[in-house]
Amino acid sequence: GPKVLQIPSHQIIDMGQMVTLNCDPVSNHLYFYWYKQILGQQMEFLVNFYNGKVMEKSKLFKDQFSVERPDGSYFTLKIQPTALEDSAVYFCASSLEQGARGGEQYFGPGTRLTVL
Amino acid sequence: GQQVQQSPASLVLQEGENAELQCNFSTSLNSMQWFYQRPGGSLVSLFYNPSGTKQSGRLTSTTVIKERRSSLHISSSQTTDSGTYLCATMGYKLTFGTGTSLLVDP
Repeated sequence: GPKVLQIPSHQIIDMGQMVTLNCDPVSNHLYFYWYKQILGQQMEFLVNFYNGKVMEKSKLFKDQFSVERPDGSYFTLKIQPTALEDSAVYFCASSLEQGARGGEQYFGPGTRLTVL
Repeated sequence: GQQVQQSPASLVLQEGENAELQCNFSTSLNSMQWFYQRPGGSLVSLFYNPSGTKQSGRLTSTTVIKERRSSLHISSSQTTDSGTYLCATMGYKLTFGTGTSLLVDP
């Protein structure tokens, strides 16, 4: 089936540093998402992105977070500066549409971020 | 906001037994998606099911929107089915349930 790629698979950084997580979504998809899963906890929505804009974001999407997809390249999540509580696995997803038709989301394998 | 409850929280089966996993949600939705989360964490989409019943091999998903529930039936379980099963309701985002952890013993 359609594949979403994420780079890197693991990232270890010191608190306060900047990190960029990269996602290569399904090629013809138009909607992009980031989700966060702390170890042993529920998967939670961070943000969705369409037509170059953030459409919706949750309370977890702090001011230190930003997303972009310049010129149809990687869809990125940037955290600057990082905090200890940002340690989690971040999943990228994409979908062709939203809603009942075509809204199936395809997920990448995740990036495990560890903030020391 | 949307609340999604999954039951049971955990389940242990002997290989060959069947399983029925439940997902209940609090408000109306556009669709329902079921995932298998591997022990390493990656997600595999099992079903995208706005309503009705869908089958894929030994797996069957049934969603009844009016009753705000969806189920995942696993028949003739295998040890490789072990892992976490997540349901998620779809609006502009996916709202995930807490998951069912399945262990299939040989």
